[in-house]
Amino acid sequence: AQKVTQAQTEISVVEKEDVTLDCVYETRDTTYYLFWYKQPPSGELVFLIRRNSFDEQNEISGRYSWNFQKSTSSFNFTITASQVVDSAVYFCALSEPDSWGKLQFGAGTQVVVTP
Amino acid sequence: EAQVTQNPRYLITVTGKKLTVTCSQNMNHEYMSWYRQDPGLGLRQIYYSMNVEVTDKGDVPEGYKVSRKEKRNFPLILESPSPNQTSLYFCASSQQGAVSYEQYFGPGTRLTVT
Repeated sequence: AQKVTQAQTEISVVEKEDVTLDCVYETRDTTYYLFWYKQPPSGELVFLIRRNSFDEQNEISGRYSWNFQKSTSSFNFTITASQVVDSAVYFCALSEPDSWGKLQFGAGTQVVVTP
Repeated sequence: EAQVTQNPRYLITVTGKKLTVTCSQNMNHEYMSWYRQDPGLGLRQIYYSMNVEVTDKGDVPEGYKVSRKEKRNFPLILESPSPNQTSLYFCASSQQGAVSYEQYFGPGTRLTVT
């Protein structure tokens, strides 16, 4: 069963619009880690954020922000004032205690930002 | 510079011709793993290794072999590649047992099997 669901396959926006990527996860553990990675057209995986299950504070890093809500098992990612360079595939991932080191990825969301 | 390297970066081969994709890390990490990425499926773990001579299957191990004879290297072996193994492959490493570990990914190897 898919443990990480990214329901949005592709999102297209015009530059300067905000875009929110949804991530819903499933786990029985109380301790776990959540991640977001960016994969630009060049193909490498770029680490964006790691969040542990005990830290529910929202985080902002420049134009990026993350909303972690344990009550709904969601860890959503917002890009504010999008730019063409934000065009990429974004992956949400989960790591659980019985398999530390293994990331369970969602299917990814393709973000297309047009000028 | 801390890094994970993979070779080759691109490979086109034919069905049945054995190949090896190398992976090496310079961070003295115990944990290494291989993932494959396919459209609509995200990344899925193929094999992992918790230390030298300790390896185990991930979610999609069929058709692959691995070995871990040295801590820094974790090659992925396709003994008889088939077209359904056409994919983008990533090697990753991390510190075993760390509470707040960091995953390091290689640059990826794009494999095409014809």
